[in-house]
Parts: sequence; C-alpha cells; structure tokens
Amino acid sequence: ETGVTQTPRHLVMGMTNKKSLKCEQHLGHNAMYWYKQSAKKPLELMFVYNFKEQTENNSVPSRFSPECPNSSHLFLHLHTLQPEDSALYLCASSQGEAGGITGELFFGEGSRLTVL
Amino acid sequence: AQKVTQAQTEISVVEKEDVTLDCVYETRDTTYYLFWYKQPPSGELVFLIRRNSFDEQNEISGRYSWNFQKSTSSFNFTITASQVVDSAVYFCALSENWNSGNTPLVFGKGTRLSVIA
Repeated sequence: ETGVTQTPRHLVMGMTNKKSLKCEQHLGHNAMYWYKQSAKKPLELMFVYNFKEQTENNSVPSRFSPECPNSSHLFLHLHTLQPEDSALYLCASSQGEAGGITGELFFGEGSRLTVL
Repeated sequence: AQKVTQAQTEISVVEKEDVTLDCVYETRDTTYYLFWYKQPPSGELVFLIRRNSFDEQNEISGRYSWNFQKSTSSFNFTITASQVVDSAVYFCALSENWNSGNTPLVFGKGTRLSVIA
C-alpha cells in the first residue's frame, strides 16, 4: 500500500459537471497539500491543511473547493471548471506543518484531469 | 519572495554519460532549505535530498551528488554514469524558515532528463 493514494487517477469532465478528487495518506502525517502541475509550468501550490485546518489558499479560484475532514483525507471538489484547469493534480503530505521537521513531502501519483 | 529557476527544460544523454542539472534560487532569508525531487513517468514526486542553508558541504549518494554554492545561489545535481532508469523530470525546490515554521515548498519548472540506451 503506497503512502499517499489518489483517486481517480484519470478524470474527464465537462465544464458544467461537479466532481471530486480524493487523497488519502497512510503515513500518520499532520499536513496535507494540493498542488497543480500544468504543462511547462512550475508546480503550483493550491492549498495547505495543517491538523485539518486550512492554513494556505494560494489565490485559487472558487471553482476549486478543498475539504479536509481529518488528517488522513483530503478532497478537492470541482465545479464549473474551465479547459485551462486541465492538469495533473498532486496531493502530498508531510509530518508537521509546511514541510515539517525534515521538509520532505510525500506525494501521490496524481489525478490527471481533462476538462472538455 | 522565493523563486527557483531551472534553466534546462530538457536534457538528453547517452547511457553512462555524466549529466548535471542546474538549479538557481532566490531568497531573502538567511535560513532556508533546498530540495531535489524526481518525478518518474508514474507521476509521484520522490524526495531525493534536503539541504539547509548553513550546510554547504557537498553530498554524494551513490551515483548522485549535489553541489551547493551559496555565493552563486545554486544547488546543482549531478548524476554520474547515467542509466535509463534515471529518465524522469527532476525538480528543485526551496522552503524558507520563518519564525512560525517552514514555508511550503516552491518548485522550479523541472528538467526532463532522457537517458538513451
């Protein structure tokens, strides 16, 4: 069982659809993150949750709505997305806040989102 | 503000060649951390190394080595005797250390390395 699991791995949705991405970590970490990876762009930090509390929202449009019900689960709710939102969405976790003691982030394999 | 620049977008080498991936960073803090991550085709980023700003000693781990130069704000990564399995996208990242803790990692755009057999 991998440390950070993301589902679904691939998602195709229309601009009027509502869908959710799920992330689960089995590492006992306290912090979880959503990153967006677009072609030819740096990894963009979207949201940070520390002990279930959102500590960072990096000016993300409201059509992306995160939810962190507990330290092990993180969701990204999607609605009325645009084609330019097509990207690989990566979830990560760490022990402690914002990189924690070692600064090491553990990533999932990502959810590849295509918006038609 | 923090910034990480990886000027090399793509590099191709023949197997067994040495290759160096460049990373230049910007920060106003005196305490910060630098990282390298590897992203294989499967998608997940894999942690390779973390260095703090007070430790300029170069590090070697098997075929991997890192050269940290504060004078040039660079943290370059060298793979010796490259192998096909080294083919991946490599990301350099930076985290600053504030009183409240470390900032989330800021990543460079990545360098895609292709090792040809």
